[in-house]
Amino acid sequence: SQQGEEDPQALSIQEGENATMNCSYKTSINNLQWYRQNSGRGLVHLILIRSNEREKHSGRLRVTLDTSKKSSSLLITASRAADTASYFCATDPASKAAGNKLTFGGGTRVLVKP
Amino acid sequence: EAGVAQSPRYKIIEKRQSVAFWCNPISGHATLYWYQQILGQGPKLLIQFQNNGVVDDSQLPKDRFSAERLKGVDSTLKIQPAKLEDSAVYLCASSLAVSLSISYEQYFGPGTRLTVT
Repeated sequence: SQQGEEDPQALSIQEGENATMNCSYKTSINNLQWYRQNSGRGLVHLILIRSNEREKHSGRLRVTLDTSKKSSSLLITASRAADTASYFCATDPASKAAGNKLTFGGGTRVLVKP
Repeated sequence: EAGVAQSPRYKIIEKRQSVAFWCNPISGHATLYWYQQILGQGPKLLIQFQNNGVVDDSQLPKDRFSAERLKGVDSTLKIQPAKLEDSAVYLCASSLAVSLSISYEQYFGPGTRLTVT
């Protein structure tokens, strides 16, 4: 079963616009990670946010985490055609038995039109 | 730094045949993962190794899937016999994680696309 669920499932925007996608999860986490996947480069790690952090930035990416609502969002600002990809959230559960194991959501497919 | 290597990149087999995938993780990465990604879905963890020991194989269909990581470096994943529903991309990932209590990012290989006919 998948712990994280992304919303929306698909998103189409014009180059230069911002893209926002959300992830909801069910159980307590150590951290939440966002990955990007496109056909050319496979799955690439974007950002890791720990359970005691609320917001994190990396270049044009901004991630927020609300552990009380068990949700996270990924914002891509000033999108480019090269940002066209599927974006996945992945949760690392807080259980000690889990041990660095990620559970991925179903992904948001983003299309950035030039 | 070389990334995670996987081979073959593509494989087409008939149902009931056997297939094996190979993965070479990033040098020095203690933890290795195999994922199955069905078209349109997110990756699903099949098995996690730390060095050459299995940490988690709870989602590995052990009646037909097997994996090993001899000497704590390379790993192979085998399916025998394959079913139509095994058609998927098989991803290998590695991470620096030497402690199960500290989180690390995972580095993924390009994957092997398996088609079972």
